[in-house]
Amino acid sequence: DTGVSQDPRHKITKRGQNVTFRCDPISEHNRLYWYRQTLGQGPEFLTYFQNEAQLEKSRLLSDRFSAERPKGSFSTLEIQRTEQGDSAMYLCASSSVAGVEETQYFGPGTRLLVL
Amino acid sequence: AQKITQTQPGMFVQEKEAVTLDCTYDTSDPSYGLFWYKQPSSGEMIFLIYQGSYDQQNATEGRYSLNFQKARKSANLVISASQLGDSAMYFCATRSGYALNFGKGTSLLVTP
Repeated sequence: DTGVSQDPRHKITKRGQNVTFRCDPISEHNRLYWYRQTLGQGPEFLTYFQNEAQLEKSRLLSDRFSAERPKGSFSTLEIQRTEQGDSAMYLCASSSVAGVEETQYFGPGTRLLVL
Repeated sequence: AQKITQTQPGMFVQEKEAVTLDCTYDTSDPSYGLFWYKQPSSGEMIFLIYQGSYDQQNATEGRYSLNFQKARKSANLVISASQLGDSAMYFCATRSGYALNFGKGTSLLVTP
């Protein structure tokens, strides 16, 4: 059973450029999450999908950020007009069980550096 | 909003010894879940253990156990028989709606 995969693992870009990250969840999981982790902090929630529907977005998700999950399978997170403050680790997670006991399984993350 | 506090920025433990990583939380939800994750230098968050707020017994998973004290809102992780591969960041988290709320983490270094 393969875990959550993310691509690319590392991305270096110049300020103002657009970047797109991909996440492939565990195949039977219908829930998908994006988190951002900056240096010295725990991950912070960005957005959540159940199947193809985006059900929740954090205030951290400015209008430069957009996420999609077409057909309820893989998801993409796009950042437009990147800023140096966007430099962070972007983590994707997936789960299949509803309720407080739901365990989210994370991918290896995409490290973004904006120069 | 839920808040997680991990007061130990860094911890050292000698190989084969046990270590306790502290976590306190603040929530008004009557039912909640507590999670611990390990993050090695590679970056992936690895799920370790879960404790439900209504679970009567402390959770255990292999060398990991959770010292859950509901009245104190405390959910400390105990790692027994530490191994060099346990060196990593450890994060405590609770669920709020769909999202996990994480603490700032504790860096654990296991020495030979």
